[in-house]
Amino acid sequence: QKEVEQNSGPLSVPEGAIASLNCTYSDRGSQSFFWYRQYSGKSPELIMSIYSNGDKEDGRFTAQLNKASQYVSLLIRDSQPSDSATYLCAVPSGGYQKVTFGIGTKLQVIP
Amino acid sequence: GAVVSQHPSRVICKSGTSVKIECRSLDFQATTMFWYRQFPKQSLMLMATSNEGSKATYEQGVEKDKFLINHASLTLSTLTVTSAHPEDSSFYICSAPNSPYEQYFGPGTRLTVT
Repeated sequence: QKEVEQNSGPLSVPEGAIASLNCTYSDRGSQSFFWYRQYSGKSPELIMSIYSNGDKEDGRFTAQLNKASQYVSLLIRDSQPSDSATYLCAVPSGGYQKVTFGIGTKLQVIP
Repeated sequence: GAVVSQHPSRVICKSGTSVKIECRSLDFQATTMFWYRQFPKQSLMLMATSNEGSKATYEQGVEKDKFLINHASLTLSTLTVTSAHPEDSSFYICSAPNSPYEQYFGPGTRLTVT
């Protein structure tokens, strides 16, 4: 089983809708979870960190963590075409400061 | 926020030559930095962990003699691709953690080997 699993997509949503991106992880001891956004041809940028069970909101973004189910998700409300990108989930892995990335989910927001 | 720079952003070199890529943390110190490679439409692949004051740690399958890493100071790591070949053409990205496990990425270096 891979350490971090994501559906590669593409996930297509109409403009204004809620986009829901999902990630599962294998290490029950994981305490930190991260979402990155990567536009085509660019490097990833950190958009959300979550450490506790429940929801964490930042503007149009909400990260949801369920440690019992080993599941972390990212919701994007009022999706915009500019949100079209690949979203990477990351979880700490063995090694100092090291994280493992999922393959990323490609999101397409249709105008 | 934490800023990481990379230089150069693009480089074209001839087969057999070496290319050096620099990664700098501009507003924080990083004892550890990471080097990734990404081929078109593929996911990030961790190549190695760069450690200030000690040898780099390479991921399985990555040739340490081909990809030389030097972490010269708390703000600078370099990746040298030696004897580059067309199959080394890729997008090379570095990252540095500012908070525990929070990776901040450089803008990347697009290497083309002709």
